[in-house]
Amino acid sequence: QVQLVQSGAELKKPGASVKVSCKASGYTFSAHYMYWVRQAPGQGLEWMGWINPYNGGTNYAQKFQGRVTMTRDTSISTAYMELSRLTSDDTAVYYCARDWNERQLADCQYMDVWGKGTTVTVSS
Amino acid sequence: DIQMTQSPSSLSASVGDRVTITCQASQDISNYLNWYQQKPGKAPKILIYDASNLETGVPSRFSGSGSGTDFTFTISSLQPEDIATYYCQQYNNLPLLFTFGPGTKVDIK
Repeated sequence: QVQLVQSGAELKKPGASVKVSCKASGYTFSAHYMYWVRQAPGQGLEWMGWINPYNGGTNYAQKFQGRVTMTRDTSISTAYMELSRLTSDDTAVYYCARDWNERQLADCQYMDVWGKGTTVTVSS
Repeated sequence: DIQMTQSPSSLSASVGDRVTITCQASQDISNYLNWYQQKPGKAPKILIYDASNLETGVPSRFSGSGSGTDFTFTISSLQPEDIATYYCQQYNNLPLLFTFGPGTKVDIK
C-alpha cells in the first residue's frame, strides 16, 4: 500500500538545522509531488513548500524562503526537508504529504497520503 | 497572498445534528478549495477536493459546496467519530502553492 514513513523525533538547539526524511513506498516516487506541512503545538496547519521528485524542482512558501531546502534521493524514494537557523517558533510536528496528481496531468491538487509526522523540538 | 478565514472556530453539536462550516477566501479562487479532517494526534485526511468532490472512501454524510470566495462544508448527521478539527485549504496552480484556513474544532455536545 502507499505509505510515507518519516524519520524520528529531533531535539535541536536554537540556531541549529534539522533535516527530516520521508521514505515513500507503494507507488512511483518520481511521479507525485511531495509537500511539507508543519503544525506548531495547539496550532493549525502551515504549508511549507513542495518538491517535484522527478526533476528536483521546488517551490517554497515565502515565509520559509532562504531557510528551507527540500531535496530528494530517487534511488531510495526518499524526500528530505532541511530547516536552518532554528528558533523556538520552529517547534512543531512536520509532515510530508503526497500530491494525488500523478505526473501533474490534472489541474486538481490535493494531499492524499500523509506521513505520521516528525516532532521537532527547539530548546536550549 | 490569499487569506483564508473559517467560521466558527469551534462548535459543539449533538449526534445526528447537521453541522455546517464556512470558509472564505480573500479573493476569487474558483473551486480550488479542499477540506481536511484532523483527529487529535493524527495526520490530516482529505475529505473533499475541488470544493465539492468527495474523496474515495469518505462517507457520504460529508459534503462541500461553493465557488469564488465562499465555501461551505457540511456533515449531514454528526457521528461520534467525526470529532476532529476541519481545515479548508486553497491552492493556486501557477505557481503551485497552498494556504490552509485556521481550522474549526468540532465536539459532541
